[in-house]
Amino acid sequence: SQTIHQWPATLVQPVGSPLSLECTVEGTSNPNLYWYRQAAGRGLQLLFYSVGIGQISSEVPQNLSASRPQDRQFILSSKKLLLSDSGFYLCAWRWRTAYEQYFGPGTRLTVT
Amino acid sequence: EDKVVQSPLSLVVHEGDTVTLNCSYEVTNFRSLLWYKQEKKAPTFLFMLTSSGIEKKSGRLSSILDKKELFSILNITATQTGDSAVYLCAVDQVKSGGSNYKLTFGKGTLLTVNP
Repeated sequence: SQTIHQWPATLVQPVGSPLSLECTVEGTSNPNLYWYRQAAGRGLQLLFYSVGIGQISSEVPQNLSASRPQDRQFILSSKKLLLSDSGFYLCAWRWRTAYEQYFGPGTRLTVT
Repeated sequence: EDKVVQSPLSLVVHEGDTVTLNCSYEVTNFRSLLWYKQEKKAPTFLFMLTSSGIEKKSGRLSSILDKKELFSILNITATQTGDSAVYLCAVDQVKSGGSNYKLTFGKGTLLTVNP
């Protein structure tokens, strides 16, 4: 069966510091991968998606970037965090054309 | 602009009540509608609907889609305190080029079931 991992689970970072969040998927190959942010406990906003290694599409302009160095690894980064980057970050995957999309456990980021 | 609107935004009921959650949408390249339950952490998948009028059921939960009127409802009968959660509606769209799919989420309905 497939499993999706995210780490860290929680993170407190000062404004201006860098960020790196990691997501890995087990039990499948060539998945579509997604990064979402959820602010104030509601509504998920799609940040980035990837259909393959090195292929990244950005949905909204922002202070963040994403990379996919390996087939089942998706990384969310920032060079300098802003207060507005605080939120709950969720990684998700689906297998190619499948209808269902599954979420990882999430990382709760607080920028102070 | 694509949008998914859920109502009500919050709802408080007593155990045993029946609730109906609503989701309306206006999106391009509709593919399917999905319902998720979120309790503190990651959303968990409930239902996926692609065709109008076909009810999906899982225990006390059921859902139906109306593609003509562009909405879906999620029903929960005989609610229990364990049903307390945020229920998210999402519409799956085909991205340009047809090689990828995007979920657009509503803001969710916060359901609180009191004993």
